[in-house]
Amino acid sequence: NAGVTQTPKFQVLKTGQSMTLQCAQDMNHEYMSWYRQDPGMGLRLIHYSVGAGITDQGEVPNGYNVSRSTTEDFPLRLLSAAPSQTSVYFCASSYSGFSSYNEQFFGPGTRLTVL
Amino acid sequence: AQSVAQPEDQVNVAEGNPLTVKCTYSVSGNPYLFWYVQYPNRGLQFLLKYITGDNLVKGSYGFEAEFNKSQTSFHLKKPSALVSDSALYFCAVRDIGGGKLIFGQGTELSVKP
Repeated sequence: NAGVTQTPKFQVLKTGQSMTLQCAQDMNHEYMSWYRQDPGMGLRLIHYSVGAGITDQGEVPNGYNVSRSTTEDFPLRLLSAAPSQTSVYFCASSYSGFSSYNEQFFGPGTRLTVL
Repeated sequence: AQSVAQPEDQVNVAEGNPLTVKCTYSVSGNPYLFWYVQYPNRGLQFLLKYITGDNLVKGSYGFEAEFNKSQTSFHLKKPSALVSDSALYFCAVRDIGGGKLIFGQGTELSVKP
């Protein structure tokens, strides 16, 4: 199993550009989520999905869109990049439901810089 | 509202000494509690979790954590630290009634030879 994979590893954008961060998992996990990690702030939830076709907002959803057309993939779209979106982005997945006690598996992260 | 706090930004320990990384939580019901570790330039790795049962939970790499309901704490411990334990450690909590996984701000553990 590859686990949770993320591409790209690094990305530099100019303000106003759009892009998609890719996330895929091969563990048949129902639950997938996106976090951003900023110094001194831990991880903050951006969006999550409890299954294909179902997504919902997390703590910091503004400026980001998601979709979940398959169980395996959960891309994160930045609509119009802003310097405040400079961060490290992590995708995570787990076996089941939003309120389950199953631990999450994390991808290696995407380091995004917005100039 | 759910929250979790890690009161120490950094913990310094000598190799071979015991280590403790502190975590306190606040939830409306019974909590699910987790510890994760992040090595430099890597994603988070699961260490251990408390769901119910024994207050002392054993996890990966020789780590354990003690759940204390009266003090609303879930401190991570290891009897003998290794230099390779140096990393960023995150505590996280999820309300048993459902809800998002909330992370603490992280504690940088530095183990010196």
